[in-house]
Amino acid sequence: KAGVTQTPRYLIKTRGQQVTLSCSPISGHRSVSWYQQTPGQGLQFLFEYFSETQRNKGNFPGRFSGRQFSNSRSEMNVSTLELGDSALYLCASSGARVGETQYFGPGTRLLVL
Amino acid sequence: AQKVTQAQTEISVVEKEDVTLDCVYETRDTTYYLFWYKQPPSGELVFLIRRNSFDEQNEISGRYSWNFQKSTSSFNFTITASQVVDSAVYFCALSGGNDYKLSFGAGTTVTVRA
Repeated sequence: KAGVTQTPRYLIKTRGQQVTLSCSPISGHRSVSWYQQTPGQGLQFLFEYFSETQRNKGNFPGRFSGRQFSNSRSEMNVSTLELGDSALYLCASSGARVGETQYFGPGTRLLVL
Repeated sequence: AQKVTQAQTEISVVEKEDVTLDCVYETRDTTYYLFWYKQPPSGELVFLIRRNSFDEQNEISGRYSWNFQKSTSSFNFTITASQVVDSAVYFCALSGGNDYKLSFGAGTTVTVRA
């Protein structure tokens, strides 16, 4: 089985711009979660989607949003980028139930200048 | 709320030494799940092991073993006979209750020197 894929792998943006990141889960996985990783804050949960519905949301401002499509692929969007949004954004997929193993993609490295 | 503490920031060992990574967790849930992930320099989080709260059996898988003790809320992970390829950041994580998210510890950087 193919693993979780994320595109693009690297991205450079300037403050005020917006960005969209994409994630394709492992075939058969219907849950997709997003995490932000920074040196200062570590790994933080952004949100989780299942069957096109957001089931969980972390403590991030409304500039961070996401969606999931009927084929389970997911996108996250960050509007009005700030310097502090520079991070590694990781997507993970899993089965439907709480506690199932989340398998991670390679991540998208976002640099905001 | 879930909390995971990895007190060791960095560990450096010589190849073939054993490495034990500590993880202490806090949760009010009676059913919860614990994980260890490895993050090599490439950045991808690689799943290593998963345990649920009602199974305290400790196992060995190849060079990896883990020690889960509910009485002390600890979930320690050991790499036996370390190799240079084991150099990475290792994260302990927790999920539980009706919470689908993973709560991660701060990570422990392991450096294995040849």
